[in-house]
Amino acid sequence: QQPVQSPQAVILREGEDAVINCSSSKALYSVHWYRQKHGEAPVFLMILLKGGEQKGHEKISASFNEKKQQSSLYLTASQLSYSGTYFCGTQGGSEKLVFGKGTKLTVNP
Amino acid sequence: DAGVIQSPRHEVTEMGQEVTLRCKPISGHDYLFWYRQTMMRGLELLIYFNNNVPIDDSGMPEDRFSAKMPNASFSTLKIQPSEPRDSAVYFCASSFIRDAYGYTFGSGTRLTVV
Repeated sequence: QQPVQSPQAVILREGEDAVINCSSSKALYSVHWYRQKHGEAPVFLMILLKGGEQKGHEKISASFNEKKQQSSLYLTASQLSYSGTYFCGTQGGSEKLVFGKGTKLTVNP
Repeated sequence: DAGVIQSPRHEVTEMGQEVTLRCKPISGHDYLFWYRQTMMRGLELLIYFNNNVPIDDSGMPEDRFSAKMPNASFSTLKIQPSEPRDSAVYFCASSFIRDAYGYTFGSGTRLTVV
């Protein structure tokens, strides 16, 4: 039931783009995205609901394909501050939010 | 708002001792969640409450774990007796109307059982 994230890790240079994918074997009601920096708590980025539109602000956006039970997080023109581990969390029929194992993003100067 | 407040930040205890972790959710939030994070298993949901009522505790690993929410502003997670495999970072999170606004996590409690 745990969603699968890919890739597990990605290294970028500042200004490059990245895509992080999240897929589930179950029908999804919603997908959350969080970023966690080392030694800190996860921080909420955005939520995508079934039937909702693609979300985003500034250079971070996400999409939700309900039929494929997949979501993707898009990071455009990455900044050093984008470094961290990105988690997707999925909700199926219940209220439980189940997190993937995370994608470690490193942005270098 | 001060956000979700957890205490203590760090706890080191000996195997067999009782450990109590504390959480104060954001005022007005109606959902409270306890998660455990380890390198091997990632973020695992242990239990969650809605309006102070436990809704799903299927993630609680064993009877050694228990959680309470006596009122809207306080929750505890207790481990008795503690074991080395309980070592992890325990996060409390709260949210309002479940899906609408995402979860706000506390800073976590890093538990080490020796």
